[in-house]
Order: sequence, then C-alpha cells, then structure tokens
Amino acid sequence: GAVVSQHPSRVICKSGTSVKIECRSLDFQATTMFWYRQFPKQSLMLMATSNEGSKATYEQGVEKDKFLINHASLTLSTLTVTSAHPEDSSFYICSARGTVGSENTIYFGEGSWLTVV
Amino acid sequence: AQSVTQLGSHVSVSEGALVLLRCNYSSSVPPYLFWYVQYPNQGLQLLLKYTSAATLVKGINGFEAEFKKSETSFHLTKPSAHMSDAAEYFCAVSRMDSSYKLIFGSGTRLLVRP
Repeated sequence: GAVVSQHPSRVICKSGTSVKIECRSLDFQATTMFWYRQFPKQSLMLMATSNEGSKATYEQGVEKDKFLINHASLTLSTLTVTSAHPEDSSFYICSARGTVGSENTIYFGEGSWLTVV
Repeated sequence: AQSVTQLGSHVSVSEGALVLLRCNYSSSVPPYLFWYVQYPNQGLQLLLKYTSAATLVKGINGFEAEFKKSETSFHLTKPSAHMSDAAEYFCAVSRMDSSYKLIFGSGTRLLVRP
C-alpha cells in the first residue's frame, strides 16, 4: 500500500543548530505535502502546505524563515528547523496527497521527534 | 472557516462495550470529514472518510461513522471495543475541493478497560 516515510524518526540537536527532516512518498507521486506540528497530548497544528516546484504556503503565526520547507520533487519534501531552540522541540508529522489506483487521498508519515537541548 | 470540536478528551469503555466518539464540525462549504487513529509515538492512520457519497461510512477495524448534516456531526462508533483500540482518535475536516488541507480536532483518548 501507499507509504509515506519520514526520516529521522528521532533527532536531538544542540540549541542554535539547524536540523532537516525528510518526508518521502514511496509508492506514489505527491502533488501536495503538508507539515504538522504536535505538542505532547495535543492535536496536530498545520504549519504549511507545499506543492512541488513552488514556494510553501505557511499558516498564520508560523515563521517561514525558521521553518524552511522545500518540495523539490514529487516524492520528497523537507522541513528544516533553523537555529533551533528548546521551544521548537516537538513531534513533526508530514502528510502527502496523491493518487494510488483510483484513490485520491492523504497519507501520513510516522512522525519525527525533535528534541533541542 | 472550518473547525472541528471533539467532545470529551478522554473516553473510557469496557472491553466488548460500544465505542462512541463524538465529532461536530463547522464549515461554510460542503466538507470532507475524516477520522484518524494515532498510537503512541506514531503517525496517523486513516480509519475512514466522508467525501459526499454515502452518509454512513464504514472504515477499518470495525469502525464506522455517520455524516449528519442537520446536526453537523460525524460521530465514530464501533459495536464492541477491543483492548487494541486504545489510542488517540482525531476527527478532521477539509474543504470539498482539491486542497485536502486538514483541520484537526483536539483529539479523544480512548481507554479500554479489561
């Protein structure tokens, strides 16, 4: 079946450094990818929507210079957290929209835990 | 604008009992509605979705949900709870267009007692 893979699943970085999270669609071409952030025991907050080959559309209140999103191909989107601080520690989840067979739907990745120390 | 309200942050049922997780939506346009399940430290798995076809939607693992426009509801049910159903459940809404931009509810944690 359709799979969306995120890497790394867990990452620890030092405050002030940057970290990149990858989101790949393995069985289909993802025309649109979404990045969410989830704090412990809370819901998912949409950060941005990215379409292949164009700039990401960020939700209100999300700093686009801090959370850099690149969607360079139909199977890969990356989220880079720049100059990370402890308050950026969170669970980041991507999703990809695509068509598998006749089904056009959204598939979620497994998520990536970011801890900034 | 669209929003989702999930009533009850925690629901506790006995194994074998009926599961009912409530979801009410607000949307100025016809919505798509979704239920997702999340197990600890994992991503989201789609249980079922409503996309304007049948109002009673059957999903995986014995779950189903009914779209009721008059009540703006999309409650999730399962006749008999299993221990393996214990997880966090999220209701989500999106516009009935090609964007699939999901807005999530706050989630409901389902606890299943032996």
